[in-house]
Amino acid sequence: DAGVIQSPRHEVTEMGQEVTLRCKPISGHNSLFWYRQTMMRGLELLIYFNNNVPIDDSGMPEDRFSAKMPNASFSTLKIQPSEPRDSAVYFCASSLRNLHDGYTFGSGTRLTVV
Amino acid sequence: QQQVKQSPQSLIVQKGGIPIINCAYENTAFDYFPWYQQFPGKGPALLIAIRPDVSEKKEGRFTISFNKSAKQFSLHIMDSQPGDSATYFCAARGANQAGTALIFGKGTTLSVSS
Repeated sequence: DAGVIQSPRHEVTEMGQEVTLRCKPISGHNSLFWYRQTMMRGLELLIYFNNNVPIDDSGMPEDRFSAKMPNASFSTLKIQPSEPRDSAVYFCASSLRNLHDGYTFGSGTRLTVV
Repeated sequence: QQQVKQSPQSLIVQKGGIPIINCAYENTAFDYFPWYQQFPGKGPALLIAIRPDVSEKKEGRFTISFNKSAKQFSLHIMDSQPGDSATYFCAARGANQAGTALIFGKGTTLSVSS
């Protein structure tokens, strides 16, 4: 099992550009989560999906952020347009729904917006 | 009510010491309390978890103590080693809701000196 796979690992972009982060969850896991990590705010939940359906997107900071899960094996988090304050490490995690097995996190995407 | 408050923010102990990290919550609907360990450049990884029907759980050198009436739980690391130097996050999640996600504390950076 390759675990949760995120790409890219690092992204540097200019303010105003569109950024797309990608995630492949563990096969068989039917819950997927996007978190953002900063020194000031820690790990913040942005959005999560159960069976590819968005359940709670109340953590998405602004309309500039959007997330999709077109199938059970792929999800994207898009920021358009990006701003310097979006600089953070973005993590994707997956888990089996209704089982308290914990989450498996990917290695994250470090985003820097200059 | 959705917050999990974690302290201290950072902790330095000598090898063999017993660091203790504390967390508090308000939402009585929470019924799953995991701890995650994160090394630099990696995603958080599940370390140990507890449910409120028990007051203590041990796994190797790691122990969770849980006080349901006080709505507090803590992580103890016995015989700490330099390899335990990492950031530790407590978290909580409710069970009786259709699709819930972990809420994380802000993290504690632990340094174990040799």
